[in-house]
Amino acid sequence: DQQVKQNSPSLSVQEGRISILNCDYTNSMFDYFLWYKKYPAEGPTFLISISSIKDKNEDGRFTVFLNKSAKHLSLHIVPSQPGDSAVYFCAASVGDGNKLVFGAGTILRVKS
Amino acid sequence: DAGVIQSPRHEVTEMGQEVTLRCKPISGHNSLFWYRQTMMRGLELLIYFNNNVPIDDSGMPEDRFSAKMPNASFSTLKIQPSEPRDSAVYFCASSLIANLAGQPQHFGDGTRLSIL
Repeated sequence: DQQVKQNSPSLSVQEGRISILNCDYTNSMFDYFLWYKKYPAEGPTFLISISSIKDKNEDGRFTVFLNKSAKHLSLHIVPSQPGDSAVYFCAASVGDGNKLVFGAGTILRVKS
Repeated sequence: DAGVIQSPRHEVTEMGQEVTLRCKPISGHNSLFWYRQTMMRGLELLIYFNNNVPIDDSGMPEDRFSAKMPNASFSTLKIQPSEPRDSAVYFCASSLIANLAGQPQHFGDGTRLSIL
């Protein structure tokens, strides 16, 4: 039972263009959402988060959008850079916020 | 600032052997998590501790797996006896305990475990 789904296993984008990574969830009790980035042979690194009381959060080139009615969130990277090439995980938490449920990840390749 | 430190980075051992993975969380963090990453199941939570107390171990696959946190700066994940299907990357993460909203978890670089 996958509560957090990232349906695109991979995405390829040209340098300088926008990257859009998508995530869907099924548990309406989730109240906090996070994106993590992972390089090979390293652990996931926290990127950006959003609370369910907001619909947008921005940090530099990274913006996360939350659509609660659709149970959907997305991560926008503008402009994309070759160093952004990594695996991106969407995660969600409910209740005390400690237990994260992760999606399967999307491999992003930014071509120069 | 030291991050989450895991050891060993790589472990190769034969089926039936005991395996112990170690984790040192970020100083001051009071939640600690153990995850396993596989191709089939992605990143799954095995167990987590708050203030050294196990809170949720529902992700621990079976009795062969056990985890301890004897103090705020050290945790172990033990597999005994190990089996080939335990081969995976095991991550440890730490965070501050969340009250109203989630706190981001900070991950170590993982232990790549291979059971032959």
